[in-house]
Amino acid sequence: GESVGLHLPTLSVQEGDNSIINCAYSNSASDYFIWYKQESGKGPQFIIDIRSNMDKRQGQRVTVLLNKTVKHLSLQIAATQPGDSAVYFCATPGAGRRALTFGSGTRLQVQP
Amino acid sequence: ETGVTQSPTHLIKTRGQQVTLRCSSQSGHNTVSWYQQALGQGPQFIFQYYREEENGRGNFPPRFSGLQFPNYSSELNVNALELDDSALYLCASSAQQGGAAGANVLTFGAGSRLTVL
Repeated sequence: GESVGLHLPTLSVQEGDNSIINCAYSNSASDYFIWYKQESGKGPQFIIDIRSNMDKRQGQRVTVLLNKTVKHLSLQIAATQPGDSAVYFCATPGAGRRALTFGSGTRLQVQP
Repeated sequence: ETGVTQSPTHLIKTRGQQVTLRCSSQSGHNTVSWYQQALGQGPQFIFQYYREEENGRGNFPPRFSGLQFPNYSSELNVNALELDDSALYLCASSAQQGGAAGANVLTFGAGSRLTVL
């Protein structure tokens, strides 16, 4: 079955620096990946997604990179701001595409 | 356009009791999914409802049940509560995108935090 995992439980960066959050997945058939941001007391919020026919996708200050060879994706946040402090999850649809399988999350702490 | 709203936001129950959590889906969305998020963990899929029927289920026992109403709102019911049921329960809505209801773009509510004593 699908599983996703994250390399670090907590990432601490200085305000203004770039952040990189990593995620590994196990199912080579996974064809769609989503990054969610969850702030304290809130539900997960969609950030950006990428399909397996792409290697890179850019949004506003965020970039997702997908390496299908090693089954790894990353979320890059440029010029990290205090408002970026949150837990970040990668997720991918499971069999039947009814459910999303989430990783355990990386907590991003932005130091002023 | 309203987002996903959940109620109650917090509640405390004791072991063996029953609980009902409610969710109003985002305008234009016809599919509702429920997730359980234990402290420090990612959300885990409980089930999904589409056209008022269960449309997929995760690894949760039958004492977790749900309903979807004609206006697409939904309820999650948990019977015989156990201590391990303490978690944040998230509702997410999505719009069906042809064929089977997809799990792609979900809009989450803020959740209902359940504490079982």
